[in-house]
Amino acid sequence: DSGVTQTPKHLITATGQRVTLRCSPRSGDLSVYWYQQSLDQGLQFLIQYYNGEERAKGNILERFSAQQFPDLHSELNLSSLELGDSALYFCASSVEREYSEQYFGPGTRLTVT
Amino acid sequence: GQNIDQPTEMTATEGAIVQINCTYQTSGFNGLFWYQQHAGEAPTFLSYNVLDGLEEKGRFSSFLSRSKGYSYLLLKELQMKDSASYLCAVMDSNYQLIWGAGTKLIIKP
Repeated sequence: DSGVTQTPKHLITATGQRVTLRCSPRSGDLSVYWYQQSLDQGLQFLIQYYNGEERAKGNILERFSAQQFPDLHSELNLSSLELGDSALYFCASSVEREYSEQYFGPGTRLTVT
Repeated sequence: GQNIDQPTEMTATEGAIVQINCTYQTSGFNGLFWYQQHAGEAPTFLSYNVLDGLEEKGRFSSFLSRSKGYSYLLLKELQMKDSASYLCAVMDSNYQLIWGAGTKLIIKP
């Protein structure tokens, strides 16, 4: 158990819908990262927050957005969902902004039908 | 552009030794990470190298040569539970992690 929690574990929804994925980092960690992993693909970095502020953006679509709240939990919002958005979405956290290993949550498996 | 190369798949025998290579070309270098990921599960941290040389941690060792842009992960006394994907990731000059596509390691009895 990494100490990072993600909800829900599974999500099935239809095309065109909007969903919100939630992540709580390990106690004391200030950085939160979001990743997308499609079937048999590598990790695609989406976005990073550090202590409430956006730190870095990766390959995140305009239909996707995220935020980190004062209690440091984070939410990833996915809208106008397409079949290709079906994937595992991981959240990770680290204690510092740099030089720190990331601890991953168990992921949310999103299926868009 | 930034690039990390790893073999897509490797096969090894239980009890043997396997070396998984990773070469990288990134804008700057602030360390290299290895992660293990079992199918359908979250990646878990294995090792971190920022200086040249070998870091040993039990059955796993990781080596780094910054001048060659090269690292390897060495797994000894392979066990069936080592069947997983192994991800190489490099932290660039902006402290962003650039991830390789991963190497799927298959262990045969």
